[in-house]
Formats: sequence, structure tokens, C-alpha cells
Amino acid sequence: EAAVTQSPRNKVTVTGGNVTLSCRQTNSHNYMYWYRQDTGHGLRLIHYSYGAGNLQIGDVPDGYKATRTTQEDFFLLLELASPSQTSLYFCASSPGHRAETLYFGSGTRLTVL
Amino acid sequence: GDSVTQMQGQVTLSEDDFLFINCTYSTTWYPTLFWYVQYPGEGPQLLLKVTTANNKGISRGFEATYDKRTTSFHLQKASVQESDSAVYYCVLGEGTGGYKVVFGSGTRLLVSP
Repeated sequence: EAAVTQSPRNKVTVTGGNVTLSCRQTNSHNYMYWYRQDTGHGLRLIHYSYGAGNLQIGDVPDGYKATRTTQEDFFLLLELASPSQTSLYFCASSPGHRAETLYFGSGTRLTVL
Repeated sequence: GDSVTQMQGQVTLSEDDFLFINCTYSTTWYPTLFWYVQYPGEGPQLLLKVTTANNKGISRGFEATYDKRTTSFHLQKASVQESDSAVYYCVLGEGTGGYKVVFGSGTRLLVSP
């Protein structure tokens, strides 16, 4: 079974702060994704990648950067955090770009004060 | 654009009750439809999948049937248990490869013993 690990589990920062969320998957999946989850909106795709060095823009990319340093590691960067980015963030991986094989991590709860 | 609508934000039932969660979708492509389930403190995980070829998916006692005429994909279970308490997401995967993934807003199911 695919394993996706996110860190930290919880993070509190202030407006204008710099935050990096980390995700590691251990099953050599090609695709990795960052989603945010907000009440009433479900999950919304921020960025995704199909391999090391690749980055694709998702549906809600404003205010976020991402970087895929290796096959295993995908990072989400908030360089000037704002309160509107307070959310629950999920990382997911997939061997291909198909919804039925999305494996999610347990999430990072980010609070921007 | 492509969309998934779940009108029920929350459903509250007692054990052994019948479950019905409504989902409708809109797309110009050939859809593949999924239900994902998210238990407390975890990321979403695949519950079942339906393609336009087979029309019905069944998993863990849950059943969903795809109706092209009404563009609906409702989730049902004959007898719920307290352990079914979770958030259920209707998900649209577009195209033959599920290229574009759209999550519904989710329905929270609360089952009391």
C-alpha cells in the first residue's frame, strides 16, 4: 500500500510569514499533488507534478509555489502567508494521472494569524 | 465548466438506517465517477469507481449507479453502522484517462448507535 507522509502535522504562522509544507511518498509514484480542503469547497488542487523538476499549475495556485526535488519529495511553499491560506492541506501521490489511484497523506493543518 | 454538486452538507442517521447521498455532475467529456471517503484525522481514500461502461460500483456494502440521463451518481447503503461516520466525496474524472479530477464539496455522515 502506498505511503504518503506529510510534515508538520500542524503549523501556526503569522501574516507575511514564510512556510514550507513537506510531503514524501515511498512507492515511486510518478504523480504528486497538493490540495487544500475548506468547508463547503471540498478539495481544490493547488499544484501537481509528474516527476522530479516538473511542476504543473492546478486550479487555485495564487500565493503558492511548489517544488519537486526528487521522485519522493514534493514541497509546498507559502512565501508571504495570508489568513486566507488558513486551511487543511493534503498531499497525494499516484502512479498515473487517474483519480482512482490517488493516495492521500494525513494532512497538515495550517493557521495564519 | 466541469462540476460536481453535492447538495447535502450533512446527513444524520441511526444505525441500520438506509443511506442515500445525492451527487450530480456536469461535463462535456466521457466521465469516470468515483466516491472517496474520509475518516476523521485521515486523508480521503477511494471507496468505489464507476465508468460509463459498467454503470455500477459496489464496495464495502456501498453502491453507486451512474445515470447518464439525469447526470447523477448517487451513493447508497442499505444499513449504515456507526463506523461509516465520515465525509463522502463525489469525484469526477474526465476523459478516458481521468485526466481532470473534480471533487464535490463533500457530505458529512453522522451515524448514532
